[in-house]
Amino acid sequence: ETGVTQTPRHLVMGMTNKKSLKCEQHLGHNAMYWYKQSAKKPLELMFVYNFKEQTENNSVPSRFSPECPNSSHLFLHLHTLQPEDSALYLCASRAGGVITDTQYFGPGTRLTVL
Amino acid sequence: KQEVTQIPAALSVPEGENLVLNCSFTDSAIYNLQWFRQDPGKGLTSLLLIQSSQREQTSGRLNASLDKSSGRSTLYIAASQPGDSATYLCAVIDSWGKFQFGAGTQVVVTP
Repeated sequence: ETGVTQTPRHLVMGMTNKKSLKCEQHLGHNAMYWYKQSAKKPLELMFVYNFKEQTENNSVPSRFSPECPNSSHLFLHLHTLQPEDSALYLCASRAGGVITDTQYFGPGTRLTVL
Repeated sequence: KQEVTQIPAALSVPEGENLVLNCSFTDSAIYNLQWFRQDPGKGLTSLLLIQSSQREQTSGRLNASLDKSSGRSTLYIAASQPGDSATYLCAVIDSWGKFQFGAGTQVVVTP
């Protein structure tokens, strides 16, 4: 168990639905990340939060809306998604103090947009 | 812009053979390089992290080398086992702590 949990593990939604993905880390880390992993493609960094503040948005469409209420929780709110948004969404956390700190990943949410 | 490439995209070997996985990157100004393992439908598990001042790291049957000047890293897995079947990803890390991943090599070890 990596200490990073994600819910739900699987999600099927229509293009008009609104849903949220949740990530929680129990490691006392200060940085949290959202990645998108599509088949046969490298992980794409979406958002970075450091000490609850968003420090990076990698030109992600506005139909994805992140929220970080505290250092332990990270949400990704979804609305009016497209079928090409179907992917595995991974959350990660990192202690953040030292450059050699690794990222710890959650198991991901498999999202299917119909 | 940094690009990370992993070749081959897929690899199948019989049990007992050594595995050699390749990772190349275009910008040698990296801080660290890290290898991860991903099982189907799961998150990533860290295997080895090599700092830019190091040339290799070892853990059990795993050995990773780094040649910054040529923009390459190689992951060796000795005496492969069916439990080694997974996708292996490499990531280069810049001085800001940002990770850039390759697309991975999917490995199947047949009994």
